Amino acid sequence: TQLLEQSPQFLSIQEGENLTVYCNSSSVFSSLQWYRQEPGEGPVLLVTVVTGGEVKKLKRLTFQFGDARKDSSLHITAAQPGDTGLYLCASPGGGNKLTFGTGTQLKVEL
Amino acid sequence: SAVISQKPSRDICQRGTSLTIQCQVDSQVTMMFWYRQQPGQSLTLIATANQGSEATYESGFVIDKFPISRPNLTFSTLTVSNMSPEDSSIYLCSASSGRQAEAFFGQGTRLTVV
Repeated sequence: TQLLEQSPQFLSIQEGENLTVYCNSSSVFSSLQWYRQEPGEGPVLLVTVVTGGEVKKLKRLTFQFGDARKDSSLHITAAQPGDTGLYLCASPGGGNKLTFGTGTQLKVEL
Repeated sequence: SAVISQKPSRDICQRGTSLTIQCQVDSQVTMMFWYRQQPGQSLTLIATANQGSEATYESGFVIDKFPISRPNLTFSTLTVSNMSPEDSSIYLCSASSGRQAEAFFGQGTRLTVV
């Protein structure tokens, strides 16, 4: 079973700061997804990266897939309180099942 | 994309009782799954809900404890049987159809067993 390690586990920052979340595995990803989960809600898909070295941007969020497809990062520029939530990376396996990363809990304070 | 309605959103139950959680998808989907999550932590897959046949359970989860139904392509239920306080958790339903297995989730059911 593929293990996806995320770092950091917890992150508390002030509004306007930048941050990066990492997702790493010892195995090669076929593709990688990033989700954000707000309290009381289910995870919501942010992006899927497929090609090694791929970079995708979603407003202030930049997602990068490692060249070897064994790691990914999520960078948030000028964080806002609305970015607060649990960030999860996930990779599909057999039977369309997703393996989720260990999670990064982000809190952005005013 | 798909919109998933899950109910109840939360419940407080007595130990020894059972709770059935319902999940309705607004479109036909290939795959439906049930997860468990402790607040602030990652998701653990319980089982894949198979349409018209028995669910496929992950290691550590059994049908007697978590019976699952999926009578059609848009609806599934998860029952948490003979509950104990250790079953207190968030239970999430998800659906996917895409080539990359991108998932859509219900809002979850927060279960507290007392």
